[in-house]
Amino acid sequence: EPEVTQTPSHQVTQMGQEVILRCVPISNHLYFYWYRQILGQKVEFLVSFYNNEISEKSEIFDDQFSVERPDGSNFTLKIRSTKLEDSAMYFCASRDTGGLQYFGAGTRLSVL
Amino acid sequence: QKEVEQDPGPLSVPEGAIVSLNCTYSNSAFQYFMWYRQYSRKGPELLMYTYSSGNKEDGRFTAQVDKSSKYISLFIRDSQPSDSATYLCAMSVGLTGGGNKLTFGTGTQLKVEL
Repeated sequence: EPEVTQTPSHQVTQMGQEVILRCVPISNHLYFYWYRQILGQKVEFLVSFYNNEISEKSEIFDDQFSVERPDGSNFTLKIRSTKLEDSAMYFCASRDTGGLQYFGAGTRLSVL
Repeated sequence: QKEVEQDPGPLSVPEGAIVSLNCTYSNSAFQYFMWYRQYSRKGPELLMYTYSSGNKEDGRFTAQVDKSSKYISLFIRDSQPSDSATYLCAMSVGLTGGGNKLTFGTGTQLKVEL
């Protein structure tokens, strides 16, 4: 069964460093999303992406964040200068033609 | 008032019990309602979705939506230890087209005991 793949599963970084989280969405899906889940809190929407541009973003998604689809398969989330409060699980999702979103297993980001 | 509210639990039931999980919401624009299951340190797995009010059944799972009360439920019949997980409700204004972000509840932690 097709699935959303995320790498790495765990990323440890120092505060102020840049990180790139990678996702391979399901191959025939056209809409992509990033969500995050801070430990013990709810899953929160960050950004949606379609046709090589951002469709919608939340107030969390400030200038420190960017997304890109660098090739035909990958979808990335970049955090330019990580803060302690960026520590969270980051989930990528892609959406089928019926509108249903399917999530990857997530990348746990630990900012030290 | 939070946009989506969900009792975090934990909810502990014996094997074979009927489980009822619920969410309330405040945004009357929500039209699509989903239930996801999340195992520890894993991504949310889509279980069911419903559009507007009504019931939907899939095997041991039944989803109900009451838009007049802004209340949604997931029932699990004949619960099994493998059902032990966190159950997240999620909802959106639209489904296809642009955006259509999901707004999640905090999740209810369920434990089904032998």
